[in-house]
Amino acid sequence: GENVEQHPSTLSVQEGDSAVIKCTYSDSASNYFPWYKQELGKGPQLIIDIRSNVGEKKDQRIAVTLNKTAKHFSLHITETQPEDSAVYFCAAFRYKLSFGAGTTVTVRA
Amino acid sequence: DADVTQTPRNRITKTGKRIMLECSQTKGHDRMYWYRQDPGLGLRLIYYSFDVKDINKGEISDGYSVSRQAQAKFSLSLESAIPNQTALYFCATKAGSTDTQYFGPGTRLTVL
Repeated sequence: GENVEQHPSTLSVQEGDSAVIKCTYSDSASNYFPWYKQELGKGPQLIIDIRSNVGEKKDQRIAVTLNKTAKHFSLHITETQPEDSAVYFCAAFRYKLSFGAGTTVTVRA
Repeated sequence: DADVTQTPRNRITKTGKRIMLECSQTKGHDRMYWYRQDPGLGLRLIYYSFDVKDINKGEISDGYSVSRQAQAKFSLSLESAIPNQTALYFCATKAGSTDTQYFGPGTRLTVL
């Protein structure tokens, strides 16, 4: 089955700096890659996603890049704010969603 | 938003007890999922259902069962709870024609 690895497991950044989270996947047939944000006491919420026929997608301060050849994709958050502090999960889809282990992001004021 | 609701939100039980976690949705989605979240392991799929008559095992279904009572309701049961089933449980829904899964707020289950 699909195996998704996510790094780093924790990330601390100064407010205003950028944050980057990286994921790799094993199944080259996976075709959909969402990123979820989970705040304390809440369920994961989709923040951005990308399909395998696209290399990059941006939504305001958030961007995702996909390298199909290398089988990795990354989440980029620019100009981080305290409300960006949360756990972020990447996932890859082929028949079902397979999740990475999560990255706890802390934005220091 | 409360489109996907889970009850209870927190539950403490003892080893050997039968537990049912419930999920309801008002999104009109046909597909529903149960996931388990453990620290350092992300979310793992327990069971999923594409409609009322279609239920499938996920990667970690042992020790769990499910019931799809209606399109909007999907319940997860632990027939005889054990301590290593202590975890956060999430229900999710998806329309068959789209990619996005929408998650409920979760149930924190503790098995003593």
